[in-house]
Amino acid sequence: AQSVTQPDIHITVSEGASLELRCNYSYGATPYLFWYVQSPGQGLQLLLKYFSGDTLVQGIKGFEAEFKRSQSSFNLRKPSVHWSDAAEYFCAVGRNYGGATNKLIFGTGTLLAVQP
Amino acid sequence: EAGVTQFPSHSVIEKGQTVTLRCDPISGHDNLYWYRRVMGKEIKFLLHFVKESKQDESGMPNNRFLAERTGGTYSTLKVQPAELEDSGVYFCASSQDLTSGRVHNEQFFGPGTRLTVL
Repeated sequence: AQSVTQPDIHITVSEGASLELRCNYSYGATPYLFWYVQSPGQGLQLLLKYFSGDTLVQGIKGFEAEFKRSQSSFNLRKPSVHWSDAAEYFCAVGRNYGGATNKLIFGTGTLLAVQP
Repeated sequence: EAGVTQFPSHSVIEKGQTVTLRCDPISGHDNLYWYRRVMGKEIKFLLHFVKESKQDESGMPNNRFLAERTGGTYSTLKVQPAELEDSGVYFCASSQDLTSGRVHNEQFFGPGTRLTVL
């Protein structure tokens, strides 16, 4: 069955420190991969996505993620965290459906706290 | 351009009552999705509309849940009668046409409706 695992429920980092959020997936075919962020009171906002091509993808707000097929991973990184990055982050996988996606399968989310 | 909107933002009801959630997708988006997040769990897919038709409703938990999208614009999700385990945050998302060649993969999410069943 298709699934997404985010092993870290909570992470606390200091402002200015680097960040890596882990995501592993189980999928029978080439997946479409996404990272979303949810700030308090807001909807889910797409940070970045991977469909094909270069396995290192750049997103908004200075985030990037690397697709590693051999490890079934799609970890999210940021070199220097800002206080405004405190939010909940969700990794998701979608089916390769004729070049687009249908339903998304989400991980349980990682709640990021940023210390001053 | 307005994003996906959902109403109400919060709803507190008693077990056995009925609640109707509404989602207004981004104008022109044919695809509309409902998802639910129960506390501490992952966000789970409920169903997918293409215009007014149900494309995939494999995630609907049971027949107490009824989703409609009359006219292919806004959608409602009714829970009748509500049970304690229905509590959670219900998200709606929309995306553009998947089939026209104007491929657009992103699903745009609304802020969610937090439902509490007492």
